[in-house]
Amino acid sequence: AQSVTQLGSHVSVSEGALVLLRCNYSSSVPPYLFWYVQYPNQGLQLLLKYTSAATLVKGINGFEAEFKKSETSFHLTKPSAHMSDAAEYFCAVSDYHFNKFYFGSGTKLNVKP
Amino acid sequence: NAGVTQTPKFQVLKTGQSMTLQCAQDMNHNSMYWYRQDPGMGLRLIYYSASEGTTDKGEVPNGYNVSRLNKREFSLRLESAAPSQTSVYFCASSEGAGSNEKLFFGSGTQLSVL
Repeated sequence: AQSVTQLGSHVSVSEGALVLLRCNYSSSVPPYLFWYVQYPNQGLQLLLKYTSAATLVKGINGFEAEFKKSETSFHLTKPSAHMSDAAEYFCAVSDYHFNKFYFGSGTKLNVKP
Repeated sequence: NAGVTQTPKFQVLKTGQSMTLQCAQDMNHNSMYWYRQDPGMGLRLIYYSASEGTTDKGEVPNGYNVSRLNKREFSLRLESAAPSQTSVYFCASSEGAGSNEKLFFGSGTQLSVL
């Protein structure tokens, strides 16, 4: 069985500060990991994905995530938050064979001026 | 590019009524999915279809049925709606098993069951 856990349902940072959103996964097979972003009243959009090619993955809008097998983590970071980053972020895991995607409970990011 | 199209965008039902949520994708994707989104619970998989002609249960299938009408369309039916099914429903598609490509999402259906 596969699952992801996101620590912190709400994170608040000041504009220009570091963004760190946490995700830990549980998987019995090599995982494929994703971060999605959801802006208000919209569907989800892919930020980045890890598929074993490289442990540090760069995504859109300056976000990146590092896969750490020893910690079963895939935390999302951005060096400097922008007001437009305010949204809800979801970590997800899938497997190669069945292509089912399982999502975490989400983290709402608030960016203060 | 239309991508994934869901209808309707909003719906209000009374307890016990039935309805079907429609979803269509124009990307020739093999796999399609139905998720529900509830506050604090993220997205939970209701049903998915790995390929045309196949469907399988996800995490929360009770109270729902699905039909993969053809490669493009995947509908979700509530036979007897309950207040617990008040949620935002998202349809999604992907290339399919072995590809690990991303999910493409529709814009969602906000359903209220009174």
